[in-house]
Amino acid sequence: EAQVTQNPRYLITVTGKKLTVTCSQNMNHEYMSWYRQDPGLGLRQIYYSMNVEVTDKGDVPEGYKVSRKEKRNFPLILESPSPNQTSLYFCASSPPPGLTYEQYFGPGTRLTVT
Amino acid sequence: KQEVTQIPAALSVPEGENLVLNCSFTDSAIYNLQWFRQDPGKGLTSLLLIQSSQREQTSGRLNASLDKSSGRSTLYIAASQPGDSATYLCAVRNAGKSTFGDGTTLTVKP
Repeated sequence: EAQVTQNPRYLITVTGKKLTVTCSQNMNHEYMSWYRQDPGLGLRQIYYSMNVEVTDKGDVPEGYKVSRKEKRNFPLILESPSPNQTSLYFCASSPPPGLTYEQYFGPGTRLTVT
Repeated sequence: KQEVTQIPAALSVPEGENLVLNCSFTDSAIYNLQWFRQDPGKGLTSLLLIQSSQREQTSGRLNASLDKSSGRSTLYIAASQPGDSATYLCAVRNAGKSTFGDGTTLTVKP
């Protein structure tokens, strides 16, 4: 089944404890992206990657890191999480712009930082 | 910077009504526009995608239109059902960036 998977789905952590949220897709998509969703602020893009070893900032990159060493994986790293990073996080992937460029979303990761 | 606005923010209709959700964007240099559905606390389900060169797309009771020059898209839902109750989001793609609207929360009453 074609899908985007995220792990963990739920995470409660404490301020300052480094964490990684994994994202993997099995559709051989070049493009991957991370978003956060907050009440009243909607979905905002954190980082995106057009291909392996190519990443770029979205609208809210502060406090996050990403890497794209393999096509299928795009982990989101919080080096020193803070309570304002409590949010619902979504990973997405899509084929390149020459095709439909339709985004497929993972199920989300609900992160709470205390 | 691209800005996306969805009107209305909330909509309540009786079952069976036809309805229109609106999405407007400020930068017309887009690759595509995608409509999603989101149920409370859940992920995003893609409904329709319109390429920048297209005017509309249809899927079942849903029809989405795109007027790139005026920066507008509409999502038309025919014969609404209680199961259509959800938040509807539109998103525009400019190269690698995606910008979402805040959504329209639809309630369809039996």
